[in-house]
Amino acid sequence: AQKITQTQPGMFVQEKEAVTLDCTYDTSDPSYGLFWYKQPSSGEMIFLIYQGSYDQQNATEGRYSLNFQKARKSANLVISASQLGDSAMYFCAIHRGGSEKLVFGKGTKLTVNP
Amino acid sequence: ETGVTQSPTHLIKTRGQQVTLRCSSQSGHNTVSWYQQALGQGPQFIFQYYREEENGRGNFPPRFSGLQFPNYSSELNVNALELDDSALYLCASSSGLEYYEQYFGPGTRLTVT
Repeated sequence: AQKITQTQPGMFVQEKEAVTLDCTYDTSDPSYGLFWYKQPSSGEMIFLIYQGSYDQQNATEGRYSLNFQKARKSANLVISASQLGDSAMYFCAIHRGGSEKLVFGKGTKLTVNP
Repeated sequence: ETGVTQSPTHLIKTRGQQVTLRCSSQSGHNTVSWYQQALGQGPQFIFQYYREEENGRGNFPPRFSGLQFPNYSSELNVNALELDDSALYLCASSSGLEYYEQYFGPGTRLTVT
């Protein structure tokens, strides 16, 4: 079974600074994918970034990058140049190759201060 | 916006009643997954429909059932509602089983009293 652990219930960052949100995962499958989603107060889950277990390079999407350390089973999200609109819940999730479901962590609430 | 829509936005039901939630998938997507998100928790997988067939189910009782239509829209039905069913219900659509292109709708917030 897959498991996601997000140990930071809440994080605070100043506008324009970078922030790292932690995610560790547990799986025995060699093929898997790791995802980060943003959930504003409106409720919709917004896809941010994806990292496949066989990808050699860390994924990047604009201001988002995923710090993938396979041996440590961590997939931290780095947000550069934080903006007020980045304030939201952030969820890390894992998908096992061939599986039908995403397994989510409990999330981290990010607050960006002006 | 992702193109995935859900209705209704909010719903209040009484314990023991039945409820139907609806999801319209993004154009071109033939797979719909449903998730339950209790307050303060991450989403939990309920089940998935792929080309009108159930393609997997999470740890939810049989009173949670679903349907997918030929246009790939989907329904989630919950019978004999319990207080613990109060949650945000999210649907997500994707093309085939490509999860990195899975897009979520805005959710339906169900309150059971």
